Amino acid sequence: NAGVTQTPKFQVLKTGQSMTLQCAQDMNHNSMYWYRQDPGMGLRLIYYSASEGTTDKGEVPNGYNVSRLNKREFSLRLESAAPSQTSVYFCASWLGQSNQPQHFGDGTRLSIL
Amino acid sequence: DAKTTQPNSMESNEEEPVHLPCNHSTISGTDYIHWYRQLPSQGPEYVIHGLTSNVNNRMASLAIAEDRKSSTLILHRATLRDAAVYYCILNYYGQNFVFGPGTRLSVLP
Repeated sequence: NAGVTQTPKFQVLKTGQSMTLQCAQDMNHNSMYWYRQDPGMGLRLIYYSASEGTTDKGEVPNGYNVSRLNKREFSLRLESAAPSQTSVYFCASWLGQSNQPQHFGDGTRLSIL
Repeated sequence: DAKTTQPNSMESNEEEPVHLPCNHSTISGTDYIHWYRQLPSQGPEYVIHGLTSNVNNRMASLAIAEDRKSSTLILHRATLRDAAVYYCILNYYGQNFVFGPGTRLSVLP
C-alpha cells in the first residue's frame, strides 16, 4: 500500500523556471493538501482540495497554482520560481472525517537558485 | 481555525517516560485532538487522536483534561528513535489542519 506518493523527491531550479510537483494517493481519500515547510518551521498550508473538482487557498497561496486532476491526483505548479520558494513541499490526503488522520508523503525538496 | 500552544523543546533520557503538553483553550465541543510527529527528513506521521476520553495505542497514550482545554501526549519509554518534532492539532468538520511549530523532543542516551 503506497499511501501518498510525491514526485520528484529533489529538484533544483533557476529563478524564473516553472515546474509541477506531483502527488497521488491510493486510499480513496476525498481531500488533498499541499504544505510547505521552511527550515525550523512548522507546515504552512498552500492550497487544498476538499473534493474532486474543488480547490481553495490556504495560508500562503501566492506564486502557486494547483490542479485536482482526479480523485487520486493533486498537482502543485510554480509558474515562475523565486528563491523564496526554496522549501520542502509535503502533500497530504484525508478521508474527510474529523476522527481520521491526515496521511503525508515523504516530501519534495526544492531549491531555487 | 482553533489554535494550540506547545513548548518549543523538551529533553528526555532514554527509557524514561515523556509527557508532552499542549494547551488548546479555544477548543470547541466537536474538535478532535490529533498528535503527529515528524522525524528528521520525513513527512509528519500520525501518532494518536482523541475527543474526550484518554486514549492508548501501540505508540503512545493521550491524556485529555476534563475541561478539554489541554492534553498531554505520553511516551511511556522514550527511545532514541522517538527524537522528533511533535505537533498537537485540533480538527473539526472543517478542512484545515493548522500545524504550529510543535515541540522538538531530544532523547539523551
